[in-house]
Amino acid sequence: GENVEQHPSTLSVQEGDSAVIKCTYSDSASNYFPWYKQELGKRPQLIIDIRSNVGEKKDQRIAVTLNKTAKHFSLHITETQPEDSAVYFCAASESGTYKYIFGTGTRLKVLA
Amino acid sequence: NAGVTQTPKFQVLKTGQSMTLQCAQDMNHNSMYWYRQDPGMGLRLIYYSASEGTTDKGEVPNGYNVSRLNKREFSLRLESAAPSQTSVYFCASSEDTGEAFFGQGTRLTVV
Repeated sequence: GENVEQHPSTLSVQEGDSAVIKCTYSDSASNYFPWYKQELGKRPQLIIDIRSNVGEKKDQRIAVTLNKTAKHFSLHITETQPEDSAVYFCAASESGTYKYIFGTGTRLKVLA
Repeated sequence: NAGVTQTPKFQVLKTGQSMTLQCAQDMNHNSMYWYRQDPGMGLRLIYYSASEGTTDKGEVPNGYNVSRLNKREFSLRLESAAPSQTSVYFCASSEDTGEAFFGQGTRLTVV
């Protein structure tokens, strides 16, 4: 089955700097890669996703890149703000199914 | 629209007790999921259901059973609770290969 690894587990950045979170996946047939944000005590919510036929997608300060050859994808947050502080999860769909396998999460702290 | 609704929100069980976590969605989604979340372990898939009447094991199915009663409801049962099952449980639903919507979670403690 699919295996998703996520790094780093914690990340601290100064307000206004950029943050990058990286994930690798094992199943070359995976075709959908979402990113979720989870604030303390709340449910995970989708912030951006990318499909395997696209190399990059951007939504305001958030972007995701996908390298199918290397089987890795990354989340980029520019001009970070204190409200970006949360746990971020990457996920990949297991091939032939709609099962979403998640990474172990990155706790992002944006320091004011 | 309520989205995905889980009950209960909190539960304390004694070792060996059984219970069922309920989940319902009103978005007419085919796919439904049960995840558990433990510190440092992320969200781990327990069971998945692609449609009414079908279920599939996830990463950590041992100790759990599920039932997809109809398109709206997907329940998770612990037959004999163990302390290792202390966790936060999330139900989710999604359109096929699309955004997953999560319930508010159930915090379960097994003593």
